Amino acid sequence: GAVVSQHPSWVICKSGTSVKIECRSLDFQATTMFWYRQFPKQSLMLMATSNEGSKATYEQGVEKDKFLINHASLTLSTLTVTSAHPEDSSFYICSARAPGGYTDTQYFGPGTRLTVL
Amino acid sequence: QKEVEQNSGPLSVPEGAIASLNCTYSDRGSQSFFWYRQYSGKSPELIMSIYSNGDKEDGRFTAQLNKASQYVSLLIRDSQPSDSATYLCAVDDKIIFGKGTRLHILP
Repeated sequence: GAVVSQHPSWVICKSGTSVKIECRSLDFQATTMFWYRQFPKQSLMLMATSNEGSKATYEQGVEKDKFLINHASLTLSTLTVTSAHPEDSSFYICSARAPGGYTDTQYFGPGTRLTVL
Repeated sequence: QKEVEQNSGPLSVPEGAIASLNCTYSDRGSQSFFWYRQYSGKSPELIMSIYSNGDKEDGRFTAQLNKASQYVSLLIRDSQPSDSATYLCAVDDKIIFGKGTRLHILP
């Protein structure tokens, strides 16, 4: 089946630093990728929709200058958390959708746990 | 704004029994509905998708959709301890998730 990977799986950083998370579709090309954030005991919250070759579409309340998304190729999207602070500590999950597919062909990555000290 | 509501649980079900999970949604125009299972510390995995009214069965899982009443449910037959997880109901193209129902199967 389709596989989506994320790197790193976990990261600990100091407050004020920037962290980049990669999301890759390993065996299919994804025109659309989604970035979610999940705080403990809460549901996944969609942060942004990333389309290959164009600017990401951010959900209301998500700061686009803080969470930089780049979808430079059909197999890679990156999320950069700039000037991270402890409140940014969360579980970040990406998903990828194959072109021409129905919504049930959206595949999730394993997630990246970010801890900001 | 679209909303998806679930009972957070925990829902405790004896092993071998039927677990019934429910979800309601606010947007009457919603077309796509999904159930995901999420184990603690892991990302969600798709269990079922359903698009039209009625029942859809896949192994021990049955999804039920009633668009008139705006609810979707998931039945798990012959519940196993490995089914203990949080079940997320999700709606539509950008996948708006409910908060999830924690299911605990009692051995």
